[in-house]
Amino acid sequence: TQLLEQSPQFLSIQEGENLTVYCNSSSVFSSLQWYRQEPGEGPVLLVTVVTGGEVKKLKRLTFQFGDARKDSSLHITAAQPGDTGLYLCAGVTNNDMRFGAGTRLTVKP
Amino acid sequence: DTGVSQDPRHKITKRGQNVTFRCDPISEHNRLYWYRQTLGQGPEFLTYFQNEAQLEKSRLLSDRFSAERPKGSFSTLEIQRTEQGDSAMYLCASSSGTLGYTFGSGTRLTVV
Repeated sequence: TQLLEQSPQFLSIQEGENLTVYCNSSSVFSSLQWYRQEPGEGPVLLVTVVTGGEVKKLKRLTFQFGDARKDSSLHITAAQPGDTGLYLCAGVTNNDMRFGAGTRLTVKP
Repeated sequence: DTGVSQDPRHKITKRGQNVTFRCDPISEHNRLYWYRQTLGQGPEFLTYFQNEAQLEKSRLLSDRFSAERPKGSFSTLEIQRTEQGDSAMYLCASSSGTLGYTFGSGTRLTVV
């Protein structure tokens, strides 16, 4: 059983569309991180959110941390084929980090 | 510093053999983590070092698994008497705090 539930598990969209993926948990985290992973490579950190209600923007990506620090969302505007990949959220408690199973995004040209 | 390095990138071994993987973290990072990732899943936590001290071990880490970080720099992960269920990507990450981890490219283990 994953500590963090990510939805949807798979998402296939056309270039130019917007999308939101979700990361939910019953646990409270000191921070939450989003990573993107390409096949055969390790995850690459996109953002860390720390404060409940925090919103961070990274170009076309908008990350939000829930007020209770239990959940998060990632919104991508005008998706591009280069956004294709596995998006992982990870919750940090004390000294360790636990990952969700990820959302596999495919953006078709 | 070029980031976190893992060696080898790929390992194919016969069931019952022992394997050892190496991780070289970013030099100024005092924390080092090992994760295992199987197809379609997110990385699963295995163990964590702060400097040379192994501070936490997952229940996933059976007695066939052992990890060391002897001088607080590089780390090794050994799997003894490998089983087919050990086939996975083994990821190493390092950090200087908890606000962002840098992962290596992983070692893909295939047990045949």
